[in-house]
Amino acid sequence: DTEVTQTPKHLVMGMTNKKSLKCEQHMGHRAMYWYKQKAKKPPELMFVYSYEKLSINESVPSRFSPECPNSSLLNLHLHALQPEDSALYLCASSQWVQNTEAFFGQGTRLTVV
Amino acid sequence: DAKTTQPNSMESNEEEPVHLPCNHSTISGTDYIHWYRQLPSQGPEYVIHGLTSNVNNRMASLAIAEDRKSSTLILHRATLRDAAVYYCILRANAGGTSYGKLTFGQGTILTVHP
Repeated sequence: DTEVTQTPKHLVMGMTNKKSLKCEQHMGHRAMYWYKQKAKKPPELMFVYSYEKLSINESVPSRFSPECPNSSLLNLHLHALQPEDSALYLCASSQWVQNTEAFFGQGTRLTVV
Repeated sequence: DAKTTQPNSMESNEEEPVHLPCNHSTISGTDYIHWYRQLPSQGPEYVIHGLTSNVNNRMASLAIAEDRKSSTLILHRATLRDAAVYYCILRANAGGTSYGKLTFGQGTILTVHP
């Protein structure tokens, strides 16, 4: 199983809502990543977790709150988002943060209204 | 962070070889060269990676210059399914500000003509 599963596939939320994105992998990977991708742009790294600990935060606003409850699961909690946060949110995993190939999910298409 | 430079776009005909170049003149000795591609409406997909020697796998070949300041991804026979954005990424394998990151540049949009 080389799959990274993201749910939901689509999400529409208001600026006062709280929602969560979920990412799951069962490859035994110990590094997990969140990316944000706007249309016709490359993915932008947001967070990196290594062994369930946050190791990299690319100066992401606090309205995005990541969580890694166990080695298979990665969440991204969303609160008080702005319309400009509308994007495709991608999750990825790799064996470790060192040089290993990463596997990406299909993403969650988020629209903030 | 060590950066990569790729052409914005390239075109190819089906069943012809494609050579996608990447410049990375500030590469450090512990950086691996990774290639990913992103098909329309999909997440990125790993293609290949290498350090110094040329690498082959079922998807592509990676040719790395002797000084490691450039590399070329080779698709031996392009198909319509290879139309995608191809990203060349330097992946740090040791400590430093880039360690643990997988940072995408602008990439090359590959168009394959029937």
